[in-house]
Formats: sequence, C-alpha cells, structure tokens
Amino acid sequence: SQQGEEDPQALSIQEGENATMNCSYKTSINNLQWYRQNSGRGLVHLILIRSNEREKHSGRLRVTLDTSKKSSSLLITASRAADTASYFCATDPINDYKLSFGAGTTVTVRA
Amino acid sequence: EAQVTQNPRYLITVTGKKLTVTCSQNMNHEYMSWYRQDPGLGLRQIYYSMNVEVTDKGDVPEGYKVSRKEKRNFPLILESPSPNQTSLYFCASTSATSSTDTQYFGPGTRLTVL
Repeated sequence: SQQGEEDPQALSIQEGENATMNCSYKTSINNLQWYRQNSGRGLVHLILIRSNEREKHSGRLRVTLDTSKKSSSLLITASRAADTASYFCATDPINDYKLSFGAGTTVTVRA
Repeated sequence: EAQVTQNPRYLITVTGKKLTVTCSQNMNHEYMSWYRQDPGLGLRQIYYSMNVEVTDKGDVPEGYKVSRKEKRNFPLILESPSPNQTSLYFCASTSATSSTDTQYFGPGTRLTVL
C-alpha cells in the first residue's frame, strides 16, 4: 500500500531558487527517508530522519518531520540544473518490514 | 565499489515465456527487496527477504517468485509473464534486517511483455 504521498506532483523553478516538496503519510513510523531518481535510473538515498527527530540537514538539503501532522518536507536550497530529478519519500511503518514509497515529485530546474 | 547490480537492464519478451531477472549485491547486506515502478504509482514492493531462505510477499506479489539461496543474490522470476507486468523493476538492499535503514538500489531493469 502506498503510504507516503508527495505534494506537489511537479515543480518547475529557476536555477538558484529554493524547491520545497511535502510528504504526508497515514500511520506511525520508525523513520522517513527521501530519495532522488534521475530519469529512468535507480534511486539514490538522500537523507533519513527518525521519528524522534524534527529537522535534519545535509548540504543544501533540509528535511523536517512533524509526527503529529504525519508530514515531512524536503527543501533544496539554491537549486542547480543537476537537481532536476524526481524526489520520493519513503516511510518505514512501525511493526512492518517494508518501506512504502510515494508517487514522487518531479522537479525541473530551469537554467 | 559497493553496488547492487541487475541483469538484464532491458528485456523485451512475449507473453508466457518464463524469465529471470538477476540481482546481486556486494555489501553483505541482510535485507533485499524487489520493486516495480509504474507511472503515477511510484514504487511498489513485490517481494522482500530478511535473510537467506527467508522471503515474504510485498504489496504486489502476484505473478512473481523469488528465491534467496545465497546472501548476495536475490533473483526475480516471472513464470508466465503477461503484458501488465511491463514495468521498470528495481532491486534494493540494506544492511538492516528490516527496511529501517538506507536502501541501495540497482540501476533498474526495463521489461516489456508483448
């Protein structure tokens, strides 16, 4: 079952701008992960945030997690053309052994 | 180099002709899984394995089989492929015994069933 849902489905921004995408989920989780996928290629792990964490940074990425609202956001600052990709959130539900992925947000960064 | 490999990368076949997609990882990971990716649906898990000889169904297991005879290999078998199995398939592995940690994905296998 698809637990995570990303919003928006697609996003187009100018190089240098920030990109923000959101993920909502339904059940309690151990952690939430964000992945990037360049067109037709394998997913690459970006960041993992655990249920007891509220914010995490990695380079130009900032992830927040609000377990009371069952939502997370991924912010990419100072975007570059190379950030053009699809971004997926994946939730690790409590008492389950499988990650559940959303349908993704497609980000296009215009030069 | 730590990696997950899949073969073949591209495959066109006909309905009913049995096929196997291989997956191998060189990181000594316990947990391996297979996903399919379809437009608008994201990734859906087909099967997963928590260790050698331990496999379990994911969200969309119908029409697929897997085996885990060795830790490094986790082949996906389609006994009688049908056109609705046309998709992009990914194998993934993680060091945890569940999906609680970072997953490493293979490059994908694009399958077309005519």
